Amino acid sequence: EVQLMESGGGLVQPGGSLRLSCAASGFTFNTYTLTWVRQAPGKGLEWVSGISAGGTIPYYADSVRGRFTISRDNSKNTLYLQMNSLRAEDTAIYYCAKQWTFFDYWGQGTLVTVSS
Amino acid sequence: EMVMTQSPATLSVSPGERGTLSCRASQSVSSNLAWYQQKRGQAPRLLIYDASTRATGIPARFSGSGSGTEFTLTISSLQSEDFAVYYCQQYNNWPRTFGQGTKVEIK
Repeated sequence: EVQLMESGGGLVQPGGSLRLSCAASGFTFNTYTLTWVRQAPGKGLEWVSGISAGGTIPYYADSVRGRFTISRDNSKNTLYLQMNSLRAEDTAIYYCAKQWTFFDYWGQGTLVTVSS
Repeated sequence: EMVMTQSPATLSVSPGERGTLSCRASQSVSSNLAWYQQKRGQAPRLLIYDASTRATGIPARFSGSGSGTEFTLTISSLQSEDFAVYYCQQYNNWPRTFGQGTKVEIK
């Protein structure tokens, strides 16, 4: 059974940093691309970032490029999202998802709140 | 950036009735389109990919059609568990983009 479990969310002040993690199991981790998607409170889904299976090719939404960094550790079956220079508009539930085309499995999400 | 536009914003349907949701892309996405269902407080769930292929475990009452810029998700006979928000998403181009969602509510 495919499982994705996010962690690392919380309350952070504007300008601060946070690192999200997504622990994966139930599939051959190092052969699949991965994605981060977020959802602001009461709003729709927004694609944030994707990464290749080997971890060498990242893609970013314009809204986060230069502030967020996606990475993965294939030896630990874990996906990361390093978020710097956080803004109020980054407040959202952050989901990790399997694949970077369509997203066939999703975690339950972790809430990031950016507020002073 | 590819803009995905869903209509209607809200669809009011009685249980057992057919529901038809639309998604339009600002440019052709070929058949690189997916549909997701999201219930309150839950993560999205993949329903359809490649415009018309049902994901694993998705009931046959869900069907997708279309290509290019016009797509449709049809729920043939709405069940109580189908009342939720539905999103389309294109994966033909970067960045990946979602529609704004259609809420399917009980009439």
